[in-house]
Amino acid sequence: SSELTQPPSVSVSPGQTAEITCSGDALPKHYGNWYQQKPGQAPVLVIYKDKERPSGIPERFSGSSSGTTVTLTIRGVQAEDEADYYCQSADSRGTSVVFGGGTKLTVL
Amino acid sequence: QVQLQESGPGLVKPSETLSLNCSVSGGSISNYYWTWIRQPPGKGLEWIGYVFYTGSTKYNPSLKSRVTISIDASKSQFSLKLDSVTTADTAVYFCARGPGITMFGVPISGFDPWGHGSLVTVFS
Repeated sequence: SSELTQPPSVSVSPGQTAEITCSGDALPKHYGNWYQQKPGQAPVLVIYKDKERPSGIPERFSGSSSGTTVTLTIRGVQAEDEADYYCQSADSRGTSVVFGGGTKLTVL
Repeated sequence: QVQLQESGPGLVKPSETLSLNCSVSGGSISNYYWTWIRQPPGKGLEWIGYVFYTGSTKYNPSLKSRVTISIDASKSQFSLKLDSVTTADTAVYFCARGPGITMFGVPISGFDPWGHGSLVTVFS
């Protein structure tokens, strides 16, 4: 089991807002990062340092942090956003890199 | 734009050593942490470890006894060796660039960019 906990799946209709959470003991002290992975492709960084968006990532992707939880929010979800999403941060001791178990986002 | 490309054998026999290289092009190898991450078929991502451009390393505690990551800055390449492989090591292996700043050994921002990935199957 991962030290970062994500829901296995989230479903949303096109145009609606999707929220994916990630919980872990180290998150109050370490940043959370988010990756999007489509089938057969490498992951792509979509949010770093809790809420920063890399260049080229659409503005509908945003991140937030509160206590032991970081959240990825996708506003106005599009069909192309259907993918697996992984959070990444530190383990509970804060000394090693870990990934969450991943969340499959389904666009209905 | 920085690009990464993995290379190496796609088949490894049990108990042997898995070896992969990652070539970096389009940018400097200096001042970054260069990382290996793997993904077993149908499963999630697992961080293997990283090497700083100076050669210092940090590994996943669960793999530490079997992993060696090294760098050849003159060739803009870094490599992964995983000893004594079993079928549980079958995975797509990705190389990626990490930021040059860490806190207690954990990069403070994300891994970007990634290579396309290299499938390694442990098969007798």
